[in-house]
Amino acid sequence: QVVLTQSPSASASLGASVKLTCTLSSGHSNYAIAWHQQQPEKGPRFLMRFNGDGSLSKGDGIPDRFSGSSSGAERYLTISSLQSEDEADYYCQTWGTGIVLFGGGTKVTVL
Amino acid sequence: QVTLRESGPALVKPTQTLTLTCTFSGFSLSTSGMCVSWIRQPPGKALEWLARIDWDDGKDYNTSLKTRLTISKDTSKNQVVLTMTSMDPVDTATYYCARMVFGDCYSVRYWGQGTLVTVSS
Repeated sequence: QVVLTQSPSASASLGASVKLTCTLSSGHSNYAIAWHQQQPEKGPRFLMRFNGDGSLSKGDGIPDRFSGSSSGAERYLTISSLQSEDEADYYCQTWGTGIVLFGGGTKVTVL
Repeated sequence: QVTLRESGPALVKPTQTLTLTCTFSGFSLSTSGMCVSWIRQPPGKALEWLARIDWDDGKDYNTSLKTRLTISKDTSKNQVVLTMTSMDPVDTATYYCARMVFGDCYSVRYWGQGTLVTVSS
């Protein structure tokens, strides 16, 4: 079964960039994933979906400074020009027939 | 505009059955390709998918919770209901309903605001 691994935390200064990584387990490197943001005390929000063919689709109103990429089994979420409101937990999500899985989340701190 | 709102009891006792309702607008669950899921998040922990239902009444459940979960829909009321039996304090969590990507029943696209359920005697 596929497993998603995320680093527990990341930090960067206001205005800088941060790159988050979501790693797919062995044998599942072609899986599509989605990224979701959860600001403190709020429900999650869909950011983008990164398909297995490399195509990307973003949620409504998601700023251009949020971007996605991939390399092998790793999927990346890059946040440029960090704002204070970007301080949040970020979850990657994947799926297969009959199953939906989330990573453990990465807490981003804006310094 | 797609909106989802969860409702249900804030407090349940151990061994009781939890019933949660998701009331949504902006789409119809009778439309081919539409699906809704339930997802939960214990305090300070990660998200955990529970179940999903599709336009054709197809259902999937988290295998570790399958024996305790039932998901159903009332298309005329734009509602999806989740029941979870034998509630335990470890089931304390915020429960979210979510609409999946149109045509893909496993990718979350829209989230509700969530409802906190505490299991305690």
